[in-house]
Parts: sequence; structure tokens; C-alpha cells
Amino acid sequence: EAGVTQFPSHSVIEKGQTVTLRCDPISGHDNLYWYRRVMGKEIKFLLHFVKESKQDESGMPNNRFLAERTGGTYSTLKVQPAELEDSGVYFCASSQRRYGLANNEQFFGPGTRLTVL
Amino acid sequence: AQSVTQPDIHITVSEGASLELRCNYSYGATPYLFWYVQSPGQGLQLLLKYFSGDTLVQGIKGFEAEFKRSQSSFNLRKPSVHWSDAAEYFCAVVPGDTGGFKTIFGAGTRLFVKA
Repeated sequence: EAGVTQFPSHSVIEKGQTVTLRCDPISGHDNLYWYRRVMGKEIKFLLHFVKESKQDESGMPNNRFLAERTGGTYSTLKVQPAELEDSGVYFCASSQRRYGLANNEQFFGPGTRLTVL
Repeated sequence: AQSVTQPDIHITVSEGASLELRCNYSYGATPYLFWYVQSPGQGLQLLLKYFSGDTLVQGIKGFEAEFKRSQSSFNLRKPSVHWSDAAEYFCAVVPGDTGGFKTIFGAGTRLFVKA
């Protein structure tokens, strides 16, 4: 079974440009999460999708970040316009339906390293 | 608010020596507890998890962790460290139920292994 995949693995852009990160969850996983780790700090939650709906977006830092999950499959996270402080590693995770936490273990992707110059 | 504390930013141990990485959490109920490892250039890999039952849990790569409710701790241990264990280790909790299902991470402990 394929794991969570993220694309690209690295992205280097200039301040003010737009970047779109993609996450493909494990097939059949309804829950999809975005996290990020900025400059050696702790990994922080951004938002949580259940299928195509945003269940919790309390961690989104500002309106320059837009996450979508059309059709409840893959998700994109767009940063527009990017700022220097957006540099970091963006992780995606997925989990199965929420009918018992044993089935709700989150499986993490390898992350996308974003550098904003 | 829920939080996870890893008091050691980095630890250096000799190869073959024992290891203990500390983790404390702050949450009213017993959360679901995890340890992840991130090797250089790699993603997050789950080492072990605790949901309920036996408070001593075994994980991959010879790691184990013990949940102590009275101390709100979930320390990670390994009896004999190998050079390949050099990595960054994250303790994490998922509150669950009314506390939500997002993962809350500690700041991480970077492990250095010397020959």
C-alpha cells in the first residue's frame, strides 16, 4: 500500500511569488491534515479535512494560505504571496474514518521543504 | 491548552550506551501518545504509540516507552544505541474525542551518537 506522498519535495521561490504544495493521502483515508515546521521550531497543526470539508482550520496563520481538497482525494496548499517567514517544512498526514482512534492513526508524508528568498 | 514538553533540545550518547528521552504532556484526560523519529532528509516515522492497556509499549528499532499517568510522562528508552539512531525525535499527543484529533508535537530532541 502506497503511503502519503507530497509534491514537490523542495521548492525555492522569491518573496511575493505563489507556491502550491500537493498532498496525496493514503487511498480511502477520509481525514487529511496539514502541518508545518518553521525554522527549527515545533511542528504545528494547520488544518484538518474530513473528505472535502474543512473540519478545523484553526492553525492557518493568515489569509495568504489557502487549502483545498476537491473531491475528497488529494489536497493542495497554496501560499500567495509567499513571505520570508513561510519558509519551513510542510507535512501532510492522513487517517481513516473516525470511528475509533485505533483507526485514526495519522500517517505522515515526507514533507515539502519550502524556502522563500 | 494542551502542550507537549521535551526538555532536552539535544542529547549526545556513546554508541552502545542506553538512552532515555523525556516527554511530558499537559492535558486533563489521558491522550493518545506517540513518538516519531525524523532522520536527516526523511519524513516522520512512527516509532511507537500508546492508546490504552499495558503502560510499557514496544516499538520499532528496539525502542520502548513507558506511560506514567501520575507524572504525565511518556519517556522513550533504548537499552543500546546504534550510530544509525542519530536523528530528531518528537513526542506527540492526540487529545481525541472532544479534545480534537490534531496532533500536538513537542519541540523535538536531536540525538547525537558518538563512536
